[in-house]
Amino acid sequence: GAGVSQTPSNKVTEKGKYVELRCDPISGHTALYWYRQSLGQGPEFLIYFQGTGAADDSGLPNDRFFAVRPEGSVSTLKIQRTERGDSAVYLCASSSGGNYGYTFGSGTRLTVV
Amino acid sequence: AQKITQTQPGMFVQEKEAVTLDCTYDTSDPSYGLFWYKQPSSGEMIFLIYQGSYDQQNATEGRYSLNFQKARKSANLVISASQLGDSAMYFCAMRGVNTNAGKSTFGDGTTLTVKP
Repeated sequence: GAGVSQTPSNKVTEKGKYVELRCDPISGHTALYWYRQSLGQGPEFLIYFQGTGAADDSGLPNDRFFAVRPEGSVSTLKIQRTERGDSAVYLCASSSGGNYGYTFGSGTRLTVV
Repeated sequence: AQKITQTQPGMFVQEKEAVTLDCTYDTSDPSYGLFWYKQPSSGEMIFLIYQGSYDQQNATEGRYSLNFQKARKSANLVISASQLGDSAMYFCAMRGVNTNAGKSTFGDGTTLTVKP
């Protein structure tokens, strides 16, 4: 596609529920990133994919968070047993590698009530 | 570990004037890249400019230039001839070239307001 697409744009869920956030990167971009942004702060790294594999998942806060990219394109961030502290904007970005900046999607605003 | 510090929570500038947004960094990576992003109120992060740690010249992209002072570990963004549409949040970021190559570290941002 022309840009990075994230769905849904907004998600409200009850504490304890499971959620999936989807990211469709720019066609041909091999690198895909997930970040989390809380109000008034900069994005915080969660996980980075190169192709289908997670090259660095050191930013995932705990084992409730998991992400996949099975065919090297679309990625899904999965959060189990959501907590109110998970509320944030989840940003996805992709790049073709090298010394280029990322292209970000518009984000998914997750609210856990 | 990498760290980005942006000490200006908010800045004001008069339309058509230049403004400098400060960024200092710390890293143990021998090679790294420095980036600036713009985040308007709509929320989408927009890549502005890149500077490599071994680049001899400061990066420029249109009205944006990066004042890179390696010894001082600073990478300030200069916006010339400010426009009303420049009002946004600006983030400085870095990532390693070899180690930590996939992980960018962001500062907490500076909110820029351009006055007419």
